[in-house]
Amino acid sequence: ETGVTQSPTHLIKTRGQQVTLRCSSQSGHNTVSWYQQALGQGPQFIFQYYREEENGRGNFPPRFSGLQFPNYSSELNVNALELDDSALYLCASSLGTAPHEQYFGPGTRLTVT
Amino acid sequence: RKEVEQDPGPFNVPEGATVAFNCTYSNSASQSFFWYRQDCRKEPKLLMSVYSSGNEDGRFTAQLNRASQYISLLIRDSKLSDSATYLCVVKAAGNKLTFGGGTRVLVKP
Repeated sequence: ETGVTQSPTHLIKTRGQQVTLRCSSQSGHNTVSWYQQALGQGPQFIFQYYREEENGRGNFPPRFSGLQFPNYSSELNVNALELDDSALYLCASSLGTAPHEQYFGPGTRLTVT
Repeated sequence: RKEVEQDPGPFNVPEGATVAFNCTYSNSASQSFFWYRQDCRKEPKLLMSVYSSGNEDGRFTAQLNRASQYISLLIRDSKLSDSATYLCVVKAAGNKLTFGGGTRVLVKP
């Protein structure tokens, strides 16, 4: 096990609602990256947080936002959910912003109906 | 064109056989390359980094061809437990990892 935990494991939401996903990084890691993985595709980079600041963002709209807390845990918030937001959301923790290795949590499977 | 492209497979491999597959990347400034393994409904896990000189880890061999902008993974003496999706990952300058869509490998008795 990597020591990275995510909650909840599964979630069902309705289109237009808002959702918050949580991630606790591996002990000693100060950077959290979030990815969206649609069925049958590879993970897509959403953004990264380092020392409580966003440090890089992929091609996702502003309704995807996040936070990092002093203990390096992180939240991903998605507003105005759309059907296409249904995916596995993965967080990965690492030491530093240009990591040689990222350790992934088990993911949160979000279904939007 | 996608930044990182992989043949989705599946590659059906008899147990004990050798299988190899490639991944192409479009950004010539890419600096680091990795292979991750992802089991069904699980998170990706780092399999190995890919170095310029090529590298081997047990039955797994990774190669990098910068001129043609591709990396490869070869699995020798395939085991049933090697059945998984193999994700090619490329890092350009900065902090963003770009994943390919994955190559599915099915090892059969």
